Amino acid sequence: AQSVTQPDIHITVSEGASLELRCNYSYGATPYLFWYVQSPGQGLQLLLKYFSGDTLVQGIKGFEAEFKRSQSSFNLRKPSVHWSDAAEYFCAVGVSGGTASKLTFGTGTRLQVTL
Amino acid sequence: GAVVSQHPSWVICKSGTSVKIECRSLDFQATTMFWYRQFPKQSLMLMATSNEGSKATYEQGVEKDKFLINHASLTLSTLTVTSAHPEDSSFYICSAASGPLGEQFFGPGTRLTVL
Repeated sequence: AQSVTQPDIHITVSEGASLELRCNYSYGATPYLFWYVQSPGQGLQLLLKYFSGDTLVQGIKGFEAEFKRSQSSFNLRKPSVHWSDAAEYFCAVGVSGGTASKLTFGTGTRLQVTL
Repeated sequence: GAVVSQHPSWVICKSGTSVKIECRSLDFQATTMFWYRQFPKQSLMLMATSNEGSKATYEQGVEKDKFLINHASLTLSTLTVTSAHPEDSSFYICSAASGPLGEQFFGPGTRLTVL
């Protein structure tokens, strides 16, 4: 079965600093990979996704992620963090099955941004 | 596009009563919808996969008689928490799958509090 590990439970960065959130997955085949962001009391918003092709994926809000098969990683990056980026970030791996991909989520990383 | 709504956004009920949560895909048809449960400061746990016109598939450990799922149309799935108890209090999130790779689009969530 697939699994996702987000080793950092909580990260604090200063506004304007760069950010990298780590994500490692375990899956026997080429996975579908996602990063979602969740603000308190809200649903999930998709930041970016990787299905195939270019391993460097651009997303919304200036985020990008790089799929590294050799490291089983899909780390999320942003060159300059804004205070509004403070939220919970979830990495997920999808397994295609019929009409939909079943997602397994990591435990999440809470991002705090200091001014 | 790809908007998913949930109703209600929050609900408080007495122990022993049943609560119905609706999940609608507003601008697309979804053959498959998913129901997740999220405890405070934790990740999303898949409860069940709902396919239009057929019985839902429940994840291990999820009581199908307690969490009744109906997917009567391509735009509506409902989750009914029967005989709710305080331990059922949680944040329930649905998603609807669309597109050739079955990408999931998430609703804003429903906060259930059982007194």
